[in-house]
Amino acid sequence: EAQVTQNPRYLITVTGKKLTVTCSQNMNHEYMSWYRQDPGLGLRQIYYSMNVEVTDKGDVPEGYKVSRKEKRNFPLILESPSPNQTSLYFCASSPRDRRNTEAFFGQGTRLTVV
Amino acid sequence: DAKTTQPNSMESNEEEPVHLPCNHSTISGTDYIHWYRQLPSQGPEYVIHGLTSNVNNRMASLAIAEDRKSSTLILHRATLRDAAVYYCILRVPNAGNNRKLIWGLGTSLAVNP
Repeated sequence: EAQVTQNPRYLITVTGKKLTVTCSQNMNHEYMSWYRQDPGLGLRQIYYSMNVEVTDKGDVPEGYKVSRKEKRNFPLILESPSPNQTSLYFCASSPRDRRNTEAFFGQGTRLTVV
Repeated sequence: DAKTTQPNSMESNEEEPVHLPCNHSTISGTDYIHWYRQLPSQGPEYVIHGLTSNVNNRMASLAIAEDRKSSTLILHRATLRDAAVYYCILRVPNAGNNRKLIWGLGTSLAVNP
């Protein structure tokens, strides 16, 4: 089954404790991205990757890092989480084919930073 | 970034058609119009997309105005499982970040039995 898998689904952590949210896709997609979803603000892109070893900032990259060492994985790293990073996070992937741009999203990771 | 405007909420009855409107008056000539929906406690799910012509697929139809400043997502027969937030989104294909989706706040659709 084609899917994007995020882990964990729920996470409560304390300010300053480094954490990683994993994202994996099994569709051999080139493009992957991370979004955060906040009430009244919608989904905003954090980082994206056009292919292995190619990453770039989205609209709200501050406080986040990513890496793309393998095509299937695109982890989101919070080196020193703060309470304003409490949010619902989504990973997405889509193929490079210009004619097929459907994005597949994971189930989401609800992060609370206290 | 080009923006979209949708009603906050709409209501429909089961098995009736639903027309979800979207305004995108600042759309550029090459921007694609995408629709996604988000069911409760799930990630967004692709519904349909188009550029200039009306589009149909198994989930819905997309009607695009001739001037492209607005579009309408049509669910032909709403079911209870269609209750979700529907997002009208623009995608800029010629930018470096050519898969970026510019999200609005969406329309929350309630379906009455």
